[in-house]
Amino acid sequence: KQEVTQIPAALSVPEGENLVLNCSFTDSAIYNLQWFRQDPGKGLTSLLLIQSSQREQTSGRLNASLDKSSGRSTLYIAASQPGDSATYLCAVTLFGNEKLTFGTGTRLTIIP
Amino acid sequence: DTGVSQNPRHKITKRGQNVTFRCDPISEHNRLYWYRQTLGQGPEFLTYFQNEAQLEKSRLLSDRFSAERPKGSFSTLEIQRTEQGDSAMYLCASSSDLTGGETQYFGPGTRLLVL
Repeated sequence: KQEVTQIPAALSVPEGENLVLNCSFTDSAIYNLQWFRQDPGKGLTSLLLIQSSQREQTSGRLNASLDKSSGRSTLYIAASQPGDSATYLCAVTLFGNEKLTFGTGTRLTIIP
Repeated sequence: DTGVSQNPRHKITKRGQNVTFRCDPISEHNRLYWYRQTLGQGPEFLTYFQNEAQLEKSRLLSDRFSAERPKGSFSTLEIQRTEQGDSAMYLCASSSDLTGGETQYFGPGTRLLVL
């Protein structure tokens, strides 16, 4: 059974700092990995999707990397802003299985 | 394209009542998913449709739960004889296998409270 872990559960950093969020998964036979953002009481916003054949994806100040062999992904956020405060979730799919398996998320607070 | 929409956004019901939620996916998306999220946890998969066919159901989906997507467009999720443990956020997502990538796009969710 695929298990996805995100550490730390919560993180506070001063505005302007660069930061890294971590995601690990137990079954390396993933098809793809997605990073999402969730604001309190809201749905999920897709940030980046990395296919299993890719090593990284970039969108603006966000960069996600994937190391399938070690079962890890990181989300790098550059020059953090208070508007980045949210819970960040990673999720994976396996080959032949469309469902997303989520981690429990990292609650990020950017301190102005 | 208005994204994935869900109705109602909030629902309060008494234990034992039936409730039904609706999801309208992004119009050209052929895949539709239901997930459930409880406080402090990541979403958990419930079920998945490709067009009108329900292809996978989680063991979380007890016989009190039923989902339909009759014409391959919108979907409904019904919970019969609700229990307090059903209180959660119910999330719908859609994707397309025609464009590649298969990013799942989520709706705003329906928050259910069972009293």
